[in-house]
Amino acid sequence: SQQGEEDPQALSIQEGENATMNCSYKTSINNLQWYRQNSGRGLVHLILIRSNEREKHSGRLRVTLDTSKKSSSLLITASRAADTASYFCAPAPSNFGNEKLTFGTGTRLTIIP
Amino acid sequence: KAGVTQTPRYLIKTRGQQVTLSCSPISGHRSVSWYQQTPGQGLQFLFEYFSETQRNKGNFPGRFSGRQFSNSRSEMNVSTLELGDSALYLCASSLWDLNNSPLHFGNGTRLTVT
Repeated sequence: SQQGEEDPQALSIQEGENATMNCSYKTSINNLQWYRQNSGRGLVHLILIRSNEREKHSGRLRVTLDTSKKSSSLLITASRAADTASYFCAPAPSNFGNEKLTFGTGTRLTIIP
Repeated sequence: KAGVTQTPRYLIKTRGQQVTLSCSPISGHRSVSWYQQTPGQGLQFLFEYFSETQRNKGNFPGRFSGRQFSNSRSEMNVSTLELGDSALYLCASSLWDLNNSPLHFGNGTRLTVT
């Protein structure tokens, strides 16, 4: 299945610093999506980047996509305590009819005040 | 617009029992997906329904089943519960297809099997 693998598994940084998380996947994609999950709650969609895009911004979030390396990265700038959460990437497969999003185990981000 | 609503929020069941979880998607959304989340296995895809038809299925035993109604509301059922079924069950809806619309998740149903 087209599951994204996030790296690192856990990351702790000081408030105000930037946080970078990486995602790798195996096959062709139509788009790649990033989600955030606060403890014990549902996932929240952050950003969707299409396969023909290389970079996308949304507020303090910057996502890059390199389809030749089958990888993506999520950068959170000027981190805040509220950014403490787990972050997941989800590659959306390009083969029509098999459209399900699968998730990895995520990156657990902790922002230290 | 109201978000995805899952009921109940918490559930405690005994081994061998069966359970039904409910999900109301965002109005207008036709696709509903279900996921199981456990600390050890992460987020595992269960199945996806679109216009009352199961469109995709994950690798779960037949004890896990679901359905979708004409108003897009969905239910999932787990029969003959096992201790390992204890998990957070998440439902997500999307407008059309995953190529163009992201998933919107509910806050889940926390199932504990004793």
